[in-house]
Amino acid sequence: DQQVKQNSPSLSVQEGRISILNCDYTNSMFDYFLWYKKYPAEGPTFLISISSIKDKNEDGRFTVFLNKSAKHLSLHIVPSQPGDSAVYFCAARLDSARQLTFGSGTQLTVLP
Amino acid sequence: KAGVTQTPRYLIKTRGQQVTLSCSPISGHRSVSWYQQTPGQGLQFLFEYFSETQRNKGNFPGRFSGRQFSNSRSEMNVSTLELGDSALYLCASSSGQRDQPQHFGDGTRLSIL
Repeated sequence: DQQVKQNSPSLSVQEGRISILNCDYTNSMFDYFLWYKKYPAEGPTFLISISSIKDKNEDGRFTVFLNKSAKHLSLHIVPSQPGDSAVYFCAARLDSARQLTFGSGTQLTVLP
Repeated sequence: KAGVTQTPRYLIKTRGQQVTLSCSPISGHRSVSWYQQTPGQGLQFLFEYFSETQRNKGNFPGRFSGRQFSNSRSEMNVSTLELGDSALYLCASSSGQRDQPQHFGDGTRLSIL
C-alpha cells in the first residue's frame, strides 16, 4: 500500500523556467512533509519541509505548498537551474511513528 | 558542521554471511534512523533509535537489527545475508524534536554474491 505517491517518474524543464514536482498521500494522519534531492552515489539532501498546520513554506528558490483537503503537496523551483537536475523525493511523517514514508521519486532534468 | 558519516561506503559479501554497518550522526543529534533503498521497493524504513533505545521498527525480518551507543553512533547488523539484501543502506540523523528534518549520510552500498 503506497501511502505516498509521486506519479511522474520524470520531468524536463528549460533553464530559468519553473519546475513543479507533485506528491499525493493517502494517510490523513501525516503531520510533517519534506522534500529531498538526491544525486547518484550520494545520500538524499534535505531541501525544505512543511508542517501540516501550514499551507506554504518558502526558502529561496524553493516553495512547498500543502493542500490537506486534496492530500497533495508540491514543490516549486523558480528559476530552475541545470544544477537542480536530480531525483526529488517527497516524504511524509507521522509524529507518533517518527519514521519517514517516501514517494518513489521524480527525475528532474533542467535543460540549458 | 560535519554531516552524517557512514562506513564503509561499499561492501561485498556472500550469502549466509553477516555484516555490520556503522553510522556517526551529526554532532548533537540523538535520533538515528536506518533506511534501505532498492530499485524495486524504493526507500523503506528499517528502524529508529533515540538515546540508545529503539523507538520504532519497520516491516523487516529479525535478521535486521541495530543498536545505538551512548555517543549516539549507531550500527546496523544483517545476519544470514540473502541475495535480496543487496541495496543501498542509508542512515539519517535528527535532533529528535518535533518538525525537525532528518539528514542523510551517503549510504553503504551492500552487494551480495
